[in-house]
Amino acid sequence: GNSVTQMEGPVTLSEEAFLTINCTYTATGYPSLFWYVQYPGEGLQLLLKATKADDKGSNKGFEATYRKETTSFHLEKGSVQVSDSAVYFCALSDHGGSNYKLTFGKGTLLTVNP
Amino acid sequence: DTAVSQTPKYLVTQMGNDKSIKCEQNLGHDTMYWYKQDSKKFLKIMFSYNNKELIINETVPNRFSPKSPDKAHLNLHINSLELGDSAVYFCASSAPSGRAPYEQYFGPGTRLTVT
Repeated sequence: GNSVTQMEGPVTLSEEAFLTINCTYTATGYPSLFWYVQYPGEGLQLLLKATKADDKGSNKGFEATYRKETTSFHLEKGSVQVSDSAVYFCALSDHGGSNYKLTFGKGTLLTVNP
Repeated sequence: DTAVSQTPKYLVTQMGNDKSIKCEQNLGHDTMYWYKQDSKKFLKIMFSYNNKELIINETVPNRFSPKSPDKAHLNLHINSLELGDSAVYFCASSAPSGRAPYEQYFGPGTRLTVT
């Protein structure tokens, strides 16, 4: 079955620090990969996505590259801000068929201090 | 305009009661989902409907019964509530069938507390 493993949190950084949140996956076929973000008290928002190998998703200064050879989709940001404090979820979705469910990692809590 | 909406946002009830959570999407999507997020923030899918047809049922107790009156609505009814049902429940929807990359759009969540 499909699974997503992401680094355990919490992660605490100072403003302007570099961020990496590791994510690896196991899937049959060729999944699409996603990062979702959940700000305190809110629902999940799609942060970025990639649909095939070597695709780079990017949004709001965050980036992640779909690495098929290492089955990874690590999230990076060069300079974090206090407003980036949230829970980040890596997820995958299989292509095709009628089963569109997302498989999520366990989430990584990021706290950015001023 | 809210894309995926849920009501209520908060729900506090006693053990043994029956309650419903409603979800509506105005994105024209064919597929809708219910997820449960536990106290450790772990998200797990419960159900998925495609064009009003149940396509995913992830070993959820039969006290939980989803109902889809049309493809824009997916409601969740829970009978005989238990303490372990306390969680945040998220509704989501995704693009029309067969259209990659199957990203999902989430509602704001309903925090259910069973006392």
